[in-house]
Amino acid sequence: AQSVTQLGSHVSVSEGALVLLRCNYSSSVPPYLFWYVQYPNQGLQLLLKYTTGATLVKGINGFEAEFKKSETSFHLTKPSAHMSDAAEYFCAIETYSGGYQKVTFGTGTKLQVIP
Amino acid sequence: NAGVTQTPKFQVLKTGQSMTLQCAQDMNHNSMYWYRQDPGMGLRLIYYSASEGTTDKGEVPNGYNVSRLNKREFSLRLESAAPSQTSVYFCASSGGWAGVNEETQYFGPGTRLLVL
Repeated sequence: AQSVTQLGSHVSVSEGALVLLRCNYSSSVPPYLFWYVQYPNQGLQLLLKYTTGATLVKGINGFEAEFKKSETSFHLTKPSAHMSDAAEYFCAIETYSGGYQKVTFGTGTKLQVIP
Repeated sequence: NAGVTQTPKFQVLKTGQSMTLQCAQDMNHNSMYWYRQDPGMGLRLIYYSASEGTTDKGEVPNGYNVSRLNKREFSLRLESAAPSQTSVYFCASSGGWAGVNEETQYFGPGTRLLVL
């Protein structure tokens, strides 16, 4: 079984402050990990992903995330929040084992940016 | 490239009515997915199709059926709609697991379904 836990359904930060959105996962096989962003009334779009190789991955709009196997975490960060970052963020895990693909999304974290 | 398109954008049904949600992608992707999104529950996978001609159940398949009509199109059918199926439905596609860069999912704009 696999799962994704996002800590905090709502996070508020001031404009210019550090953004930290937490994601922990559980998987019995090596995972691929993703962060997606959803703006109001839109579908999800990929921010960044970890597949193999470098554990620090950089995405669009200045976001990055670090895969820490020992902590089973894949937290999303951005050094300085911008008003346009206000959206809902989803962490997702994808595995492929025994010929079957399995995808699980977290419950999402809504980011509010305060001017 | 239109990416992933979904029709309709919005639909209201009465309990017991049936309808089909349509999804098409023009990226020559192998895999396609149907999700539902409900407040506080994230996205839950209903069905997916790893390749043309195959479909598999996801986390919440009850009350739904799917058809992978061809490589481009993947439809979701509600045979007898229930108020519990009120949700936002997203279709997605990905290249599949043929290569390192092909597992990213690309999402459609969603269909908002209200069942009265």
